[in-house]
Amino acid sequence: EAGVTQSPTHLIKTRGQQATLRCSPISGHTSVYWYQQALGLGLQFLLWYDEGEERNRGNFPPRFSGRQFPNYSSELNVNALELEDSALYLCASTLGGAYNSPLHFGNGTRLTVT
Amino acid sequence: KNEVEQSPQNLTAQEGEFITINCSYSVGISALHWLQQHPGGGIVSLFMLSSGKKKHGRLIATINIQEKHSSLHITASHPRDSAVYICAARGSARQLTFGSGTQLTVLP
Repeated sequence: EAGVTQSPTHLIKTRGQQATLRCSPISGHTSVYWYQQALGLGLQFLLWYDEGEERNRGNFPPRFSGRQFPNYSSELNVNALELEDSALYLCASTLGGAYNSPLHFGNGTRLTVT
Repeated sequence: KNEVEQSPQNLTAQEGEFITINCSYSVGISALHWLQQHPGGGIVSLFMLSSGKKKHGRLIATINIQEKHSSLHITASHPRDSAVYICAARGSARQLTFGSGTQLTVLP
């Protein structure tokens, strides 16, 4: 069984540009979560998608957005990039509807904003 | 004050030692996760527990709901256990609140 896959592995952008990060969940998982891990900081919850809809978002500005496609893969978009957006972005998937099902993480996308 | 507190922040042990990492939380939770993050960033979910104790190989996780406290134990530690261990509390709306992590280094 393939795990959660994220692409690209690394992404370098300049300030003001837009970044698009992608996540493919484990087959059968309908819930996708996005997390940010900035250097020296802990993991912060960004967004949760389930069955194609945004269910919850963390304390991030609106320029962080995303969507979930009918095949349950997901995109995270970051507009008007700022230097402090440089971080590791992790995606995790889980079975939807199962409140306490385990999380499976991807290896992350490392975004560098120069 | 962070809602999830971990201790210690850094831990160095000799191979074979018994290791304990602690996690306290102040929010009501439906489950507590223990995660392992290796250099490079990939995260592996070790345990998800809402009561009692779970064991997997040399790893043991316990939780005391009344005291809002969980511990991760590693028996017979090995250098390959070196990683960052993170506890995360799952509250309402399935949102996870993460601890700051414990950097474990096991020396041969």
